[in-house]
Amino acid sequence: QLQLQESGPGLVKPSETLSLTCTVSGDSISRRNFYWGWIRQPPGKGLEWIGSIYYSGITYYNPSLKNRVTISVDTSKNQFSLNMSSVTAADTAVYYCGRVHADYYLTQTWVDPWGQGTLVTVSS
Amino acid sequence: EIVLTQSPGTLSLSPGERATLSCRASQSVSSSYLAWYQQKPGQAPRLLIYGASSRATGIPDRFSGSGSGTDFTLTISRLEPEDFAVYSCQQYITSPTFGQGTRLEIK
Repeated sequence: QLQLQESGPGLVKPSETLSLTCTVSGDSISRRNFYWGWIRQPPGKGLEWIGSIYYSGITYYNPSLKNRVTISVDTSKNQFSLNMSSVTAADTAVYYCGRVHADYYLTQTWVDPWGQGTLVTVSS
Repeated sequence: EIVLTQSPGTLSLSPGERATLSCRASQSVSSSYLAWYQQKPGQAPRLLIYGASSRATGIPDRFSGSGSGTDFTLTISRLEPEDFAVYSCQQYITSPTFGQGTRLEIK
């Protein structure tokens, strides 16, 4: 059974870089037809797509975040990672990783399954 | 960016009743590239519907999705106690975006 688990610091100082890793178990991250994505949810608010990566390294970023976000993949460890620079309090959220299905044209589509999520608080 | 507006914000119903949740897009979501998720407090979202009307694996048939273009609907035919949660729609025809969610609460 495919499982995803987020890991990383729960507290990050303003202006620093948020770094999270998602470890995938139960399946290979190199499988075709899937992206691996990051989505976040500020407390009490809706979901926001951050970005995703294909096993080959193709990435997609939310245009509103692309200047601060880098997503990378380590196929040898079956992991993918998120780096978000210059964080502020507005970046405080639960961060989820998930498997993103790709359609015939390699367009990213829906997320299934999701990791359990990890709360990252930006505060000094 | 396609903005998804969900209504109502909160829906109060009793077990056994029928729930109808709406998701309206600011532009046409062609090819029915729309999904629905259920989220319970403290849990990650769970995929219910993709392609506007296809149920995900293991989802009971009381959940159904419909719609096209800019108007989509999630229907729960007969509410079970475990169905009370927040429901969000997501479009993926362009840069993926989510609706703000509809809270389904017990009346």
